[in-house]
Amino acid sequence: SAVISQKPSRDICQRGTSLTIQCQVDSQVTMMFWYRQQPGQSLTLIATANQGSEATYESGFVIDKFPISRPNLTFSTLTVSNMSPEDSSIYLCSVGGGPNYGYTFGSGTRLTVV
Amino acid sequence: DAKTTQPNSMESNEEEPVHLPCNHSTISGTDYIHWYRQLPSQGPEYVIHGLTSNVNNRMASLAIAEDRKSSTLILHRATLRDAAVYYCILRDVLDSNYQLIWGAGTKLIIKP
Repeated sequence: SAVISQKPSRDICQRGTSLTIQCQVDSQVTMMFWYRQQPGQSLTLIATANQGSEATYESGFVIDKFPISRPNLTFSTLTVSNMSPEDSSIYLCSVGGGPNYGYTFGSGTRLTVV
Repeated sequence: DAKTTQPNSMESNEEEPVHLPCNHSTISGTDYIHWYRQLPSQGPEYVIHGLTSNVNNRMASLAIAEDRKSSTLILHRATLRDAAVYYCILRDVLDSNYQLIWGAGTKLIIKP
């Protein structure tokens, strides 16, 4: 299965600033997924990123707030823009090959906005 | 994707088997049953998946009911390192979005 390197692992940011999270995969993958996990909660899908096309955002998430880049088949970034304390969460990237294959996750980025 | 129901938490003793149940009464014929776990302060980790037949791997076994409306993840000999939140998720093979819809999961507590 793929191995994902996600960074930073954690950060403390001032409100109003932006943070870019990077995910590097050790093999080429078609789809990458970005999730948010609020404190004590389960995972919520933010968007699906395909190489060469615009990311597809889930209800409640918009591109201006969470712009995503997918420049090639092994790399993606998620930016959390104009942050507020409500954005304090764990952000995770994931790759997977479909329903008959397991999905792999990065170790997560723990973001605290003060 | 169809919905799953799991107990909020379970406790087990170390070195004993653990049976984690999952109900999915609205499962369709094209839904795969996936199990993931999330250890404290880590990203989720794939455990096992199956469609109709029982499955075994080095981490666990998956027992699927004959009518497929429920399944059980079996940890044969739990250790303290198995303490995690376990998620049961259905993935429709016909869904080209490749998304996973996450429920609340079961928090497994292992007592030494």
